[in-house]
Amino acid sequence: NAGVTQTPKFQVLKTGQSMTLQCAQDMNHNSMYWYRQDPGMGLRLIYYSASEGTTDKGEVPNGYNVSRLNKREFSLRLESAAPSQTSVYFCASSVVGGGQGQETQYFGPGTRLLVL
Amino acid sequence: RKEVEQDPGPFNVPEGATVAFNCTYSNSASQSFFWYRQDCRKEPKLLMSVYSSGNEDGRFTAQLNRASQYISLLIRDSKLSDSATYLCVVYGMDSSYKLIFGSGTRLLVRP
Repeated sequence: NAGVTQTPKFQVLKTGQSMTLQCAQDMNHNSMYWYRQDPGMGLRLIYYSASEGTTDKGEVPNGYNVSRLNKREFSLRLESAAPSQTSVYFCASSVVGGGQGQETQYFGPGTRLLVL
Repeated sequence: RKEVEQDPGPFNVPEGATVAFNCTYSNSASQSFFWYRQDCRKEPKLLMSVYSSGNEDGRFTAQLNRASQYISLLIRDSKLSDSATYLCVVYGMDSSYKLIFGSGTRLLVRP
């Protein structure tokens, strides 16, 4: 049981390049999330998917797109990378919250992205 | 004003000390509250949920004060392994299953 996995672990891009961050979970969770973490800013939600087939914007969606490929996989795409997107990206998953928010979110190990 | 605010620290304490962190939140209608722990260059992991009546898990005690809109975490008998960043997390009030994270309080426990 691997939990939440992310690839790649590290990536360096040049401004304007595109890339896709991959995330997969094997816990049969319905909800999946993409966050970015910057120094002094805490984790900020980029996009989330409450269930297979649905995606919604979070706090900082500009410059990103997502795909919920199936129940297990949720990818994040940067179409034209900018230096402001240099960050650590975390994927997370949870069982559907049931409206009470008591579920735990499980995080992947993160992807460290540097955009030059 | 940030939705969830924490003192960034670092709190530098000797082994065996008791240390407390506070966190304030802006949305009085928030429903659920958590403390997550994040080790250096690692992912966040749930430490404990925070219940209205307060709750304890071994050396860790969490308290919620809804009137003043703050959450606290008390760590007793600090261990070297407690060194980490502690994230205060609040569940947003809309139906979108969104957690709102504070920027974290860093704890360093020295021998």
